[in-house]
Amino acid sequence: DADVTQTPRNRITKTGKRIMLECSQTKGHDRMYWYRQDPGLGLRLIYYSFDVKDINKGEISDGYSVSRQAQAKFSLSLESAIPNQTALYFCATSESSGGRDTQYFGPGTRLTVL
Amino acid sequence: AQSVTQLDSHVSVSEGTPVLLRCNYSSSYSPSLFWYVQHPNKGLQLLLKYTSAATLVKGINGFEAEFKKSETSFHLTKPSAHMSDAAEYFCVVSSTGGSYIPTFGRGTSLIVHP
Repeated sequence: DADVTQTPRNRITKTGKRIMLECSQTKGHDRMYWYRQDPGLGLRLIYYSFDVKDINKGEISDGYSVSRQAQAKFSLSLESAIPNQTALYFCATSESSGGRDTQYFGPGTRLTVL
Repeated sequence: AQSVTQLDSHVSVSEGTPVLLRCNYSSSYSPSLFWYVQHPNKGLQLLLKYTSAATLVKGINGFEAEFKKSETSFHLTKPSAHMSDAAEYFCVVSSTGGSYIPTFGRGTSLIVHP
């Protein structure tokens, strides 16, 4: 079984709908991240969490919110989806090693907002 | 502050010829540097990383990279390209001071011709 899983893998929704993307990990890592990938822009950080009680905004958090339900679960919500949130979303985890962390990525969720 | 620049958005090579993917970085602290690979419709996977040990780092699938502090570079090389190397490659910098949050480059698409 994969160490980092994301559900759903694909989602098509309409403008204004609320969407939740879920991430689970079995690696036992404290740190979890949500990124979006757009062609030519690389991966941009939406939110990150260093432990269950520590959640931080990334560079593009507007329009998104997160919930860290447990060490193993980190969910991303779009309260009112808009078309420019159409993208590939990745969850990642890492250990805490002072900036030397290797990140482990889920397979991604492809979200289309019509 | 930290940033990373991948100097080529696309690199095209013939199978069996050398690969060079270029990455320059800036960091206010001692950096950790990573290369990740993303095959089509897949998540990202670590190729190799530099964390202040040997400056020449060997990774998976015959790839290696050299950390050059004087040139603030971390270029990725492979002596002989294989068709299976066709993928998107991301250079990432993470500082060992500050927030330890990784910063991604915009990616380089490697195209391998038969």
